[in-house]
Amino acid sequence: SQQGEEDPQALSIQEGENATMNCSYKTSINNLQWYRQNSGRGLVHLILIRSNEREKHSGRLRVTLDTSKKSSSLLITASRAADTASYFCATDTGGGNKLTFGTGTQLKVEL
Amino acid sequence: NAGVTQTPKFQVLKTGQSMTLQCAQDMNHNSMYWYRQDPGMGLRLIYYSASEGTTDKGEVPNGYNVSRLNKREFSLRLESAAPSQTSVYFCASSEGGGRRDGYTFGSGTRLTVV
Repeated sequence: SQQGEEDPQALSIQEGENATMNCSYKTSINNLQWYRQNSGRGLVHLILIRSNEREKHSGRLRVTLDTSKKSSSLLITASRAADTASYFCATDTGGGNKLTFGTGTQLKVEL
Repeated sequence: NAGVTQTPKFQVLKTGQSMTLQCAQDMNHNSMYWYRQDPGMGLRLIYYSASEGTTDKGEVPNGYNVSRLNKREFSLRLESAAPSQTSVYFCASSEGGGRRDGYTFGSGTRLTVV
C-alpha cells in the first residue's frame, strides 16, 4: 500500500490563483519531499522538509508539515500555466536510503 | 552536466523476450534506484543500490534483476517480459539517500510488452 496519498487527485485553477495540495502518510518520517512531473518527463525535486520543521518556503512554494496528523501541504502561490504538472509527495521513513512516493495530484492551471 | 541518462526511451517487447534498461549518472552519487510508474499507482520502487557493490529489493522486485556495474551505472533487466511489466521506468540517483537535495531522475523508458 502507498505510504503517501495526495489529495485532491486532480485540481484545476485559473492563472494567478493559489493551488493547495495535501499529502497524508502512515508511518513516522525523517523527512518529506515534494516533486513535480511534467507530462512525459521525469520527476524534479522541489523542496524537502525535515520532521522537526513545520514550514518551509522556496520561491512561490510553501510547504507545511504536521507530524501529529501525519500530513503535509504544498501551496503554490500566484500560479502560472507553466505550473501545470503532476505533484508527488515522497517520504523518507529511515528504512534504508529510499523514498516512498504517493499517487500524485494533477494540477492544471488555465489561462 | 547530463544528470541521469536512461536508454532506451521507448521499447516494445513481445511476451517472453528479455531486455536491459540502462541508467548512468554523472553526479558522483552513491545511491541509485529503479522505479516503475503506472496510472493511478504513483511510483513504486523495484530495486535500489545504496552504494556501489550493494543492491536491495524494493516494493515490486519480482520479474526483475539489477546490476550496479560501477558507481555511475545501474541497469535493470527483464529476463522474460510479461504484459504486466508494461510501464514507464524511471532511474534516479541521490547522495546521502536524498536527505539533503532529494533525488535526480532520468527522463524515463516507456516499455510496452505485447
